[in-house]
Amino acid sequence: QVQLVESGGGVVQPGRSLRLSCAASGLTFRSYGMHWVRQAPGKGLEWVAFISNDASQKDYADSVRGRFTISRDNAKNTLSLEMNSLRTEDTAVYYCAKIRRTSGYYEDWGRGTLVIVSP
Amino acid sequence: SYVLTQPPSVSVAPGQTARITCGLTNIGSKSVHWYQQKPGQAPLLVVYDDSDRPAGIPERFSGSKSGSTATLTISRVEAGDEADYYCQVWDNFSDHVIFGGGTKLTVL
Repeated sequence: QVQLVESGGGVVQPGRSLRLSCAASGLTFRSYGMHWVRQAPGKGLEWVAFISNDASQKDYADSVRGRFTISRDNAKNTLSLEMNSLRTEDTAVYYCAKIRRTSGYYEDWGRGTLVIVSP
Repeated sequence: SYVLTQPPSVSVAPGQTARITCGLTNIGSKSVHWYQQKPGQAPLLVVYDDSDRPAGIPERFSGSKSGSTATLTISRVEAGDEADYYCQVWDNFSDHVIFGGGTKLTVL
């Protein structure tokens, strides 16, 4: 059974940094591309970033490009999101999710970790 | 760029059929996937590849696509179906993912 467990959320001031982690178990982590998706309070889902199974490919939503960095450690089955220059509009629940590469749907999601950016 | 347009809300009485649409712009032949999200929970896949249903999802949930509109149909709606529903597509060239704005299903 696949488990994705996010951590690292919290309250941070604008302009500061935060690092999120996602611990994966129950799957051959190195075989899967992984994504971060976020959801602002009361709002819809927003794709944030993607990393390929071997970390050779990464991409970001325009709203976070240049400020966020996605990475992974396949030896530790861990996905990370380094968030710099945080803005109030980055306040959201951040989910890590495993995508079914052939079709592009999210098979598995974590429960999310809440990031609040507030003065 | 891709745009997925959903109605903000749909209301239906218990036992009736709910239809939630997803207007598709520029997605060509890409597959549409649907998620159910209840308050405080992560999204749950209910339909993938336009019309396939994951294991464990009731047959009451079905999907279809015609032209520029995908539709999630929930038959014999139950109180427990009350949730937000999102459509989603994947751009396999860029690996970007696009979500519709979400539809709140209210069971009257």
